[in-house]
Amino acid sequence: AAGVIQSPRHLIKEKRETATLKCYPIPRHDTVYWYQQGPGQDPQFLISFYEKMQSDKGSIPDRFSAQQFSDYHSELNMSSLELGDSALYFCASSHPTGKTGNTIYFGEGSWLTVV
Amino acid sequence: AQKITQTQPGMFVQEKEAVTLDCTYDTSDPSYGLFWYKQPSSGEMIFLIYQGSYDQQNATEGRYSLNFQKARKSANLVISASQLGDSAMYFCAMRVPSMDTGRRALTFGSGTRLQVQP
Repeated sequence: AAGVIQSPRHLIKEKRETATLKCYPIPRHDTVYWYQQGPGQDPQFLISFYEKMQSDKGSIPDRFSAQQFSDYHSELNMSSLELGDSALYFCASSHPTGKTGNTIYFGEGSWLTVV
Repeated sequence: AQKITQTQPGMFVQEKEAVTLDCTYDTSDPSYGLFWYKQPSSGEMIFLIYQGSYDQQNATEGRYSLNFQKARKSANLVISASQLGDSAMYFCAMRVPSMDTGRRALTFGSGTRLQVQP
């Protein structure tokens, strides 16, 4: 079965540079989430999109932005990178089952290292 | 606001034995979902099991079962017959459905690192 696809898997950037992460959700999933997981931390919610519209916003810095495109893929843009942005970035997607809690599936993550 | 608490930073278990990972949650919403995810050292986040707040029976998925005690607000994960490959970080998470067109994201606990010993 198709899973959530993230690219690139690994990324090294210098401080003050810009990075873009891409996410391709599972087909027919209508919601995409972005999470940031720092070393030894639990994942922190950044932002989500439902049917290509931003639906929820978490602890996303103003330097970051995201969007979901007509083909449902999503991109997370990070500018003016700081050392503290080094983390594992997850994209996840969910399917409308009508139940209380649709299962949320995660991609394998994108490792960002800022040097 | 929702909160998930995992009080065991680390756990050890012998291979082939069962182990219980604790999770308590706090929410004022009557409708919610509880999830467990496994994160091996390679980093990916693997869905294990889901329990809805209105589900009458405890969820089971193969060797994983969820001991759901609603009155106590606990959702412990039980792994039976532990295997060496079960060594990983385990996260409990909760989700409350959104009232509008969006879907609320998961709130995670701090995780429990499980080590299975031969």
